[in-house]
Amino acid sequence: EAGVAQSPRYKIIEKRQSVAFWCNPISGHATLYWYQQILGQGPKLLIQFQNNGVVDDSQLPKDRFSAERLKGVDSTLKIQPAKLEDSAVYLCASSQRTGGYGYTFGSGTRLTVV
Amino acid sequence: KQEVTQIPAALSVPEGENLVLNCSFTDSAIYNLQWFRQDPGKGLTSLLLIQSSQREQTSGRLNASLDKSSGRSTLYIAASQPGDSATYLCAADSWGKFQFGAGTQVVVTP
Repeated sequence: EAGVAQSPRYKIIEKRQSVAFWCNPISGHATLYWYQQILGQGPKLLIQFQNNGVVDDSQLPKDRFSAERLKGVDSTLKIQPAKLEDSAVYLCASSQRTGGYGYTFGSGTRLTVV
Repeated sequence: KQEVTQIPAALSVPEGENLVLNCSFTDSAIYNLQWFRQDPGKGLTSLLLIQSSQREQTSGRLNASLDKSSGRSTLYIAASQPGDSATYLCAADSWGKFQFGAGTQVVVTP
């Protein structure tokens, strides 16, 4: 089966600019996650979708971050405006269902804000 | 709130030695625990998934154990090879939310 697809792989932007990341989960996976991984740390959950509804966005900085999952398939994560501390790898993962089924991760997008 | 800790943060061993990586979690009410491997600049590759009802899982040279009562999981890698050099992360699935540890960075020297 095809894995979780993410694009772009790398992005360099100046602070205060905007950026968007795209994720296509494994076919049939209802649950989709966006994680932020800062260098040297474990991934931190930003937002979790179940189909096209938001299950958990408690750690999403909503003043600058937004995410959507149209039609319960692809998802985009946007940052506007970006700050230096947003430099990180943004990982997308999907799962068949919430709880007990494990995750499959994409390769991630490495964002550098200068 | 679930907290996951991995010790040590870094580990260097000569080729051929067995690796023992530790993961501890504070909330024993988990669905499962998953071990991942992460190579520099790459995403996470799933290694082993242990359901809450299981005590261990094995895949080739990898064996992971789970002790919910003590809040611990251990990943064993037998006869390490230079290709095993990577960061290994564990994640506890509590009520559909995965909480990751910070990882153990492993270097296997030839």
